[in-house]
Amino acid sequence: QKEVEQNSGPLSVPEGAIASLNCTYSDRGSQSFFWYRQYSGKSPELIMFIYSNGDKEDGRFTAQLNKASQYVSLLIRDSQPSDSATYLCAVNMNTGFQKLVFGTGTRLLVSP
Amino acid sequence: NAGVTQTPKFRILKIGQSMTLQCTQDMNHNYMYWYRQDPGMGLKLIYYSVGAGITDKGEVPNGYNVSRSTTEDFPLRLELAAPSQTSVYFCASSSGVEKLFFGSGTQLSVL
Repeated sequence: QKEVEQNSGPLSVPEGAIASLNCTYSDRGSQSFFWYRQYSGKSPELIMFIYSNGDKEDGRFTAQLNKASQYVSLLIRDSQPSDSATYLCAVNMNTGFQKLVFGTGTRLLVSP
Repeated sequence: NAGVTQTPKFRILKIGQSMTLQCTQDMNHNYMYWYRQDPGMGLKLIYYSVGAGITDKGEVPNGYNVSRSTTEDFPLRLELAAPSQTSVYFCASSSGVEKLFFGSGTQLSVL
């Protein structure tokens, strides 16, 4: 069973702080890694994806990948109350198209 | 641009009833997917399709069937509904290895 593990939270941070979300995966053959944000009652939306070891930055978001340790993380700088949502880590073990395995998600609460 | 459209948004079924969840995309994507999401859980892949006429099972296919007669449509059929199928169902599409585009979801209760 290929697994993606996340702490369910909630992770509570004050407005303006850095939120750090972590994810581990079991399959060393995993090719690409995704972070989706899901507001309550809504569908997931893509925040970032990363393929290579290291960091990838996009605005306030930074994805970090360490394939040797099999973990991927998402850092949110200057957290805003509007960032309060569930963040789903997803791993693609297929090189040809998206066949994602999702974690259960981490709920983030940003307090004003 | 409508993207991925799912119908219905809500449905209540009695045990043993059948229904079809509709999914249409207007982005000419080859790849389409059906996921279910139970409360407080991640998404589980039910079925997927890599093109018209080609479908395959995901992680949790039991109790469901799909067909893909056109690029645009990917309906999900529930036969003999059971309480274990109470969930939120998401249809998604993609052009390849990056972004999944999700529909707005169908909340299904089986009582």
